[in-house]
Amino acid sequence: DGGITQSPKYLFRKEGQNVTLSCEQNLNHDAMYWYRQDPGQGLRLIYYSQIVNDFQKGDIAEGYSVSREKKESFPLTVTSAQKNPTAFYLCASRNRASSSYNEQFFGPGTRLTVL
Amino acid sequence: QKEVEQNSGPLSVPEGAIASLNCTYSDRGSQSFFWYRQYSGKSPELIMSIYSNGDKEDGRFTAQLNKASQYVSLLIRDSQPSDSATYLCAVSGLWGEGGATNKLIFGTGTLLAVQP
Repeated sequence: DGGITQSPKYLFRKEGQNVTLSCEQNLNHDAMYWYRQDPGQGLRLIYYSQIVNDFQKGDIAEGYSVSREKKESFPLTVTSAQKNPTAFYLCASRNRASSSYNEQFFGPGTRLTVL
Repeated sequence: QKEVEQNSGPLSVPEGAIASLNCTYSDRGSQSFFWYRQYSGKSPELIMSIYSNGDKEDGRFTAQLNKASQYVSLLIRDSQPSDSATYLCAVSGLWGEGGATNKLIFGTGTLLAVQP
């Protein structure tokens, strides 16, 4: 099955802890994105990566970090510096070579709760 | 500041009726327009994309784009209870570093409730 997987589905974090959210895709997509969704708000872009070993900050990157060592993987670390990390985190990918190259497809998401 | 505006709803329609969802955007440089469906507790699912002025039909869904008015809409014909969800409008343009970002700007979504 081709698709985007995210793990874990639910994650609980104590204050002061760093946690890492996994995002893997086997669609051979070049670009990958991380968004967060809060109740009553639209999705907001945290980080994105167009190619391996390169990534850029989105609109709300403070308190987050990413890496892109492999095309298939784009993990997100939520650090203790993120003041309000409780949210629904969504990973997306895009095929830059496709005629529908602007379309982004989402994984199932990780719901993070700070205790 | 690039913005996408949607009425939060809820928009309530009877089963079998046409549901009309609307979206406006602020940046005239926007090039690609998308509608996502999001069921409660789930991730967004892409249902329509549109790139040029006019209508695009796919099954019971029709997307309409008017770039002059900066307006995108989604029509759902023969609405079913299973269509009850939040519909997110998203807009993309050649923004960011080198114009290659293709970043999506999302509206806050419209909640659609189809009554049996």
